[in-house]
Amino acid sequence: AQTVTQSQPEMSVQEAETVTLSCTYDTSESDYYLFWYKQPPSRQMILVIRQEAYKQQNATENRFSVNFQKAAKSFSLKISDSQLGDAAMYFCAYRTASKLTFGTGTRLQVTL
Amino acid sequence: EPEVTQTPSHQVTQMGQEVILRCVPISNHLYFYWYRQILGQKVEFLVSFYNNEISEKSEIFDDQFSVERPDGSNFTLKIRSTKLEDSAMYFCASSEPRTGGEALHFGNGTRLTVT
Repeated sequence: AQTVTQSQPEMSVQEAETVTLSCTYDTSESDYYLFWYKQPPSRQMILVIRQEAYKQQNATENRFSVNFQKAAKSFSLKISDSQLGDAAMYFCAYRTASKLTFGTGTRLQVTL
Repeated sequence: EPEVTQTPSHQVTQMGQEVILRCVPISNHLYFYWYRQILGQKVEFLVSFYNNEISEKSEIFDDQFSVERPDGSNFTLKIRSTKLEDSAMYFCASSEPRTGGEALHFGNGTRLTVT
């Protein structure tokens, strides 16, 4: 079974600084997809970024980028120029054809 | 932008009662999912649904749970006899059926409180 591990329950970053959230996963598949979702206090699940495992190039989406290390099964999220609105719970997720498996989440605080 | 809608936003029910949570997925999506999140905990997969049948379900999705797509637009989750531990946020999601790697689009959730 696929497992997703987020080893940082909480992280803090100052506004305008950069922070990296860690994620590792375990799978025997060679073709899969990885995601980061953001859950603000409203508890809505918002897609942040997506990465195809067959692509070597790291995905970027404005201030959000990933560091995808397939051999190490690592998929970290970097947030640049952090903003107060980035404060949320961040979930890493692994996609198979029929479901998405989430990690336990990292709560990100953004301070002034 | 099209979105997944869930109703009600909050449902309070007594233990042992049946509850139906409703979802309207994005119209051209063909894969549907239910997830739950107990307060402060991880988001757990319950069930996925495609072509009018269950694709995969977790061990949480026991005989007390069922899903249905009754009319081509709604997607429902029924809990037959609610327990206190069913109190959670329930999320519906949908995705396009292209390569299997499409992102899931989530609704805003239904908060279920069992008293």
